[in-house]
Formats: sequence, C-alpha cells, structure tokens
Amino acid sequence: TQLLEQSPQFLSIQEGENLTVYCNSSSVFSSLQWYRQEPGEGPVLLVTVVTGGEVKKLKRLTFQFGDARKDSSLHITAAQPGDTGLYLCAGEASVDYKLSFGAGTTVTVRA
Amino acid sequence: DAGVIQSPRHEVTEMGQEVTLRCKPISGHNSLFWYRQTMMRGLELLIYFNNNVPIDDSGMPEDRFSAKMPNASFSTLKIQPSEPRDSAVYFCASSLSGGKLFFGSGTQLSVL
Repeated sequence: TQLLEQSPQFLSIQEGENLTVYCNSSSVFSSLQWYRQEPGEGPVLLVTVVTGGEVKKLKRLTFQFGDARKDSSLHITAAQPGDTGLYLCAGEASVDYKLSFGAGTTVTVRA
Repeated sequence: DAGVIQSPRHEVTEMGQEVTLRCKPISGHNSLFWYRQTMMRGLELLIYFNNNVPIDDSGMPEDRFSAKMPNASFSTLKIQPSEPRDSAVYFCASSLSGGKLFFGSGTQLSVL
C-alpha cells in the first residue's frame, strides 16, 4: 500500500492541452516534493512545497500544497512533448523526515 | 559537476550469483541513499547513510542485501545470493544535510 496515492496512473494528451496530476495521502507531511523522471534516468526534483496552501509556479507548471499538508497537485498549462515523463510526488514525514514516493503518473504529450 | 555516478548501468546475472552495485555521490554531499524502483512497488528507500554511517536500513528487504560506505565518495550495495525477484532499477542519490536530492542514472538489474 502506497503512503501517497497518485492519480491518474497514466495520462495521454495532445500538445497544447492542459493536465492536472494529483497526489493524496491520509498523512500530514512537513514538505512535499515533485519530481520528473525520463526513461533511463533518475528522478529530477522540480519543486518543494512546505506551507499548507502554498502555490508555486515553474513556467507552465503550477504546484499546490493542500491546506492540511496531506495532498498536492501539479497542473501543466499548454503541455508540450518535452513535458512527457513520469511525474512522482514525495512526502517528507514530520517525525523522521523520511521521504516516501508515490507510484507516479506517466504523462505522454503527443505532438 | 558530474552528478551522482552509478555503475554498472546494466547488470544481467544468474540466480544465486553475487551482485555489487556502485555509487559515487556528488562531492561534498554528506547523505547517501539507495532506492529500488519496480513497476509494482514504485520507488522504495532501501537504506541511507549520513556522514558515512548507516542511519536507517529498515527498507533493506532481506539479509541477502547489504550496503557499505567506506568513505565519503563511495558506496556499494551488494546482493548475495541474487534472486529473480531482485530484478529492478537501483538508484543511488545524495544530498547535502537533507537538502535537495540528486539521483544517479540507476543500475538496471536483471536476475535470470
């Protein structure tokens, strides 16, 4: 059982469309991180959110941390083929700061 | 900076053989992590070191798995004897005092 549930598991969209990926948990986290992983490579950190309700923007990517610090979302506006990859969320536990990863959402953006 | 360097990139071995995975963290980083990634279980933390000392090995699946960090610039993850269910991608990652985590490119392990 995953501590963090990501949805959807797979997402295939056309270039120019918008998409949202969700990361949910029943646990409270001190921070939440989003990574993107491309085939044959390790995950690369995109952003860390720390404060409940926090919203961070990275170009066309918008990250939001839930008020209760249990969930997060990643929204991509006008997706491009270069956004294709596996998106992983990871929560840092308040007690021992261990990082737990979700199973990931595979995003495919078709040209 | 070359980033976290892992070797080999691919390893194919037969059941029962010993497998050794290697990792060179980013110079100056004092925390090192070993993760395993599979389709079924996603990314799982196996063990992590802080200042070369193992801090938490609760994720190590069995006694067949062992990890060492003899110095700040090198770590190994050993599986002996290996089994087909150990097949996965093994990632090493490093950070500076629990900050941003940098992953290597991983070792794809296939145990036949």
